[in-house]
Amino acid sequence: QVQMVQSGAAVKKPGASVKVSCTASGYTFTSYYIHWLRQAPGQGPEWMGMIDPRGGGTTYSQKFQGRVTMTGDTSPSTVYMEFSSLRSDDTAVYYCARDVADNENGYYGLFDCWGQGTLVTVSS
Amino acid sequence: DIQLTQSPSFLSAFVGDRVTITCRASQGINSHLAWYQQKPGKAPKLLIYAPSTLQSGVPSRFSGSGSGTEFTLTISSLQPEDFATYYCQHLNSYPLTFGGGTKVEIK
Repeated sequence: QVQMVQSGAAVKKPGASVKVSCTASGYTFTSYYIHWLRQAPGQGPEWMGMIDPRGGGTTYSQKFQGRVTMTGDTSPSTVYMEFSSLRSDDTAVYYCARDVADNENGYYGLFDCWGQGTLVTVSS
Repeated sequence: DIQLTQSPSFLSAFVGDRVTITCRASQGINSHLAWYQQKPGKAPKLLIYAPSTLQSGVPSRFSGSGSGTEFTLTISSLQPEDFATYYCQHLNSYPLTFGGGTKVEIK
């Protein structure tokens, strides 16, 4: 079955960087975009950006542009999200998610499978 | 950016009740909307999209409707496993955004 497995929780100091991995299985890795989202305690999900595993093309939310970098590796089928200059309000659960949207018909970002989430805590 | 406003933000209901949640978009998004269910400590789960297509495996008591700027998620007969938080999300363009959530609790 389709699965997205993320790396474990991390504790970082303000100003540091974190790199979270997401390994996909159960489908052809290059056939679907993968997105990263985060969810702060008590809040709804917030979209950070996406990567096309086929060629590595990315689109980032303007909110995070300059601080986030998404990369991919086809062997193993893994994408990475590196987030820099961390602040206390970046404390959140970070998710990767597979996108099955029909882009040709104008749909974007339909998430049918999510990783289990990675808690990133930013604290001095 | 497209803003999504959900109402109510909280509702309390009995098992067996019919429940309706509304999501309003700040601009027209055609039928480009999805609904997710999230339980504590878990990732969101896709329920319905575009805006009435049921995701595989989702019970038929869930239904979605709407277009343009107003959408609804209906649970025809609330079951114990349906107590959760529900989010709408637009599928129209980047940046993607979510509604603020509706927490459904047992009365």
